[in-house]
Amino acid sequence: EIVMTQSPATLSVSPGERATLSCRASQSVGTNLAWYQQKPGQAPRLLIYGASTRATDIPARFSGSGSGADFTLTISSLQSEDFALYYCQQYNNWPPVTFGQGTRLEIQ
Amino acid sequence: QVTLKESGPAMVKPTQTLTLTCTFSGFSLSTSGMSVIWIRQPPGKALEWLALLDWRNDKYYNKSLKTRLTISGDTSESQVVLTMTNMDPVDTATYYCARIPLESDALDVWGRGIMVTVSS
Repeated sequence: EIVMTQSPATLSVSPGERATLSCRASQSVGTNLAWYQQKPGQAPRLLIYGASTRATDIPARFSGSGSGADFTLTISSLQSEDFALYYCQQYNNWPPVTFGQGTRLEIQ
Repeated sequence: QVTLKESGPAMVKPTQTLTLTCTFSGFSLSTSGMSVIWIRQPPGKALEWLALLDWRNDKYYNKSLKTRLTISGDTSESQVVLTMTNMDPVDTATYYCARIPLESDALDVWGRGIMVTVSS
């Protein structure tokens, strides 16, 4: 089973600044990688799929990059509503699908 | 508009069987490439996939839970049902269902989730 490792576990950033979240797969997943945002008490929301394609209605400040085993989610200018938990998920030769342990993005 | 909604008991006792229903609208599970997946999230922990049903009626299970899980679908009722046997307190979690369309292969729409507590 492919293991997804996210770093850092917690990221403290000030509003208006850029945030960079990382996700590494234990083996290549091509570009079969998605990012989700989860706020307290809510279901996850799809942000990015195919490593770099924004999902419907996702603001342009969210961007994804990478291929193979190393991926990045960048939020270019943090808004107050962006402080949340972020998960990456691989779906290469799924199922199974596997999620990372999450990165908590908090206000500095 | 695509929606999914989980329903079932909020609490079960240890050793009991949990039955959850995902009722969806705005899409058909018969559409080529479509799947519905169950995911769970224990309090304060990460997401874990449980089972998946696809448009061919093929069923897939998390290997570590396979002996306890059954997924089934009712296309006419737009429902997917998950049963999990021999519930234990460690199964306490929020259970989500979500859609996976061919266009993205990602979980693009999720239900709000249902919190299930396992306690005697």
